[in-house]
Amino acid sequence: DAGVIQSPRHEVTEMGQEVTLRCKPISGHDYLFWYRQTMMRGLELLIYFNNNVPIDDSGMPEDRFSAKMPNASFSTLKIQPSEPRDSAVYFCASSLVRAVGDTIYFGEGSWLTVV
Amino acid sequence: DQQVKQNSPSLSVQEGRISILNCDYTNSMFDYFLWYKKYPAEGPTFLISISSIKDKNEDGRFTVFLNKSAKHLSLHIVPSQPGDSAVYFCAAGVEWSGDKLTFGTGTRLAVRP
Repeated sequence: DAGVIQSPRHEVTEMGQEVTLRCKPISGHDYLFWYRQTMMRGLELLIYFNNNVPIDDSGMPEDRFSAKMPNASFSTLKIQPSEPRDSAVYFCASSLVRAVGDTIYFGEGSWLTVV
Repeated sequence: DQQVKQNSPSLSVQEGRISILNCDYTNSMFDYFLWYKKYPAEGPTFLISISSIKDKNEDGRFTVFLNKSAKHLSLHIVPSQPGDSAVYFCAAGVEWSGDKLTFGTGTRLAVRP
């Protein structure tokens, strides 16, 4: 079975531009998570969905960030407008039942550079 | 406010020796803890976990120890191998109610041949 698939793998964009990151979770997984990795803060949870419904978006840094999950096999994380401080690796992850007590499967990440 | 802290950003160990990675947490509600391992250009992968009803869990060369009173856990790798060189993330959650994990900042382990 394919793992969590993210695209693009690398994105370089200019400040002010819109960025859309995409994720396809593992089929059958009920939970989907968006994480951001930075040196200072490690892996931060931005938002997570259960059965396509956003449950907790308290980690979304600003209104410039938004996430959607229109169906069980697709999610997007959008940054508009992007800023240099948004440069990070963004990971999508999914789990079958729930994160605690179960295993989260991560994608390979989307490396975002905003110049 | 970092609820899960890994105070050592990096660690270098000789092959064959023990690697000890440390993690501290502040939220007393956390009762389930995990370690994830991350190679460059890959996503983190699950390594080992421990519930608060235990103080030790072992899986091959990897052992996680939990000290609830000190809010501290550690990962021991014995013997260390060059292939263990990676970033290790500690994570914590609330088992009975929690859907999400809180991760630390990671420790980069380098195992020297």
